[in-house]
Amino acid sequence: AQRVTQPEKLLSVFKGAPVELKCNYSYSGSPELFWYVQYSRQRLQLLLRHISRESIKGFTADLNKGETSFHLKKPFAQEEDSAMYYCALSGRMDSSYKLIFGSGTRLLVRP
Amino acid sequence: DTAVSQTPKYLVTQMGNDKSIKCEQNLGHDTMYWYKQDSKKFLKIMFSYNNKELIINETVPNRFSPKSPDKAHLNLHINSLELGDSAVYFCASRLGGNYEQYFGPGTRLTVT
Repeated sequence: AQRVTQPEKLLSVFKGAPVELKCNYSYSGSPELFWYVQYSRQRLQLLLRHISRESIKGFTADLNKGETSFHLKKPFAQEEDSAMYYCALSGRMDSSYKLIFGSGTRLLVRP
Repeated sequence: DTAVSQTPKYLVTQMGNDKSIKCEQNLGHDTMYWYKQDSKKFLKIMFSYNNKELIINETVPNRFSPKSPDKAHLNLHINSLELGDSAVYFCASRLGGNYEQYFGPGTRLTVT
C-alpha cells in the first residue's frame, strides 16, 4: 500500500536551531517525493522535490531508498519558517499522478 | 495572473443544502484534482480529471459530484450537506508528464 508517515504532529524549536522534519514512505514502485508547505491560511506551495536536489529557503531533503525516508532539514531555523509541512508521494498510480500526503507536521519556530 | 483560482473562498451553509465550489486554472494544465483538508489538517485526494475525463474517485460519497466542462475548469457540487463535510477543499492542477501540482487558495466550507 502507498503510505506517507510523518511521525511528529508538532515540532517546536528556537530560532537558529537546526530542524529536521521526518518523513517515511511506503511505495512499491519508483516514487517521486515532495515537501509542500502551507503558511497560515495560505495555499499549499511546493517547497522541494527529490529529483531536483536543490535547496529552497535553506531547506534540503535527501531521498534514502534504503530507509524509505525523505527527511526535511534546515541548519538554522527562522521564525518565518513556522508553517505546516507536508511530505507527499506521487507515482504512476492509476496513471493519475495523485499526491498521497502525510498527516503533516506543524513547525513552530520561537524567537 | 497565471494561477489556480477557487470561488468562493468561504462558504457557510446549513445542513441539507446543496452547494457548488468552482475551480479554474489558466496554466494550460490538462489534469485537475480536488483534495479535502479536514479539521486535523489531514489532506486527502477526492477526485481527478484528465482532459475532462474522470480518472480518480476515491470512495467519496456520491453526494459529491465533480464536473469538468473543459480542461481549465473543475467544479465540485455537494448535495445534502452534512456537518462532516466541513473542511477546506483545495483544487490543484498538473501538466501531463510533470509530477508537480499547483494548488488553489482553498475554499473553507462550514456546515452548520
